[in-house]
Amino acid sequence: RKEVEQDPGPFNVPEGATVAFNCTYSNSASQSFFWYRQDCRKEPKLLMSVYSSGNEDGRFTAQLNRASQYISLLIRDSKLSDSATYLCVVNVASGSARQLTFGSGTQLTVLP
Amino acid sequence: GAVVSQHPSRVICKSGTSVKIECRSLDFQATTMFWYRQFPKQSLMLMATSNEGSKATYEQGVEKDKFLINHASLTLSTLTVTSAHPEDSSFYICSARDLSPGGWNEQFFGPGTRLTVL
Repeated sequence: RKEVEQDPGPFNVPEGATVAFNCTYSNSASQSFFWYRQDCRKEPKLLMSVYSSGNEDGRFTAQLNRASQYISLLIRDSKLSDSATYLCVVNVASGSARQLTFGSGTQLTVLP
Repeated sequence: GAVVSQHPSRVICKSGTSVKIECRSLDFQATTMFWYRQFPKQSLMLMATSNEGSKATYEQGVEKDKFLINHASLTLSTLTVTSAHPEDSSFYICSARDLSPGGWNEQFFGPGTRLTVL
């Protein structure tokens, strides 16, 4: 089983739509959770951290369920510029280091 | 936000040659840098953790003699792919963690180096 699993998509949605991505992680000792965005042939960039209480940043809402080891990302009012691959990322302490473990990503295409 | 640079951005080489990739943190010091590899349509896979002044820690299945890592200063880590072969063709990305207060939660990624071995 992969440490971080995501639905690969692709998700093709019209502008203005609401889209939700899900992610599950296998290591119950995971400490921090993030959503990154990666554009084609570019490096990943942090979109938002995910907190236990849930958090919102503009059109983006992230949720975490530690009991189910489940993370979600909701994008409202999709824009063309939201087209990218969204990576679910989990931070696990390994000895004295912290390591990021990436999901394989969910591809989103927002259509005009 | 913090900036991490990589050089070169793209390299094409013949099989058997060695390729060096540089990763620099431009406006912060990074005692720890990470090297990832990403094959098409796959996730980033951590190859090794580069520690300033000490040996790198390699992930299982990554050959340390093939992927040489040197972290000579707080702002520079290098990855050398020795005797590269076509199966080493990939997107190599480094990242660095900003250790300033409040910065530990985010890793900043370099723009990546696309290696093609003919």
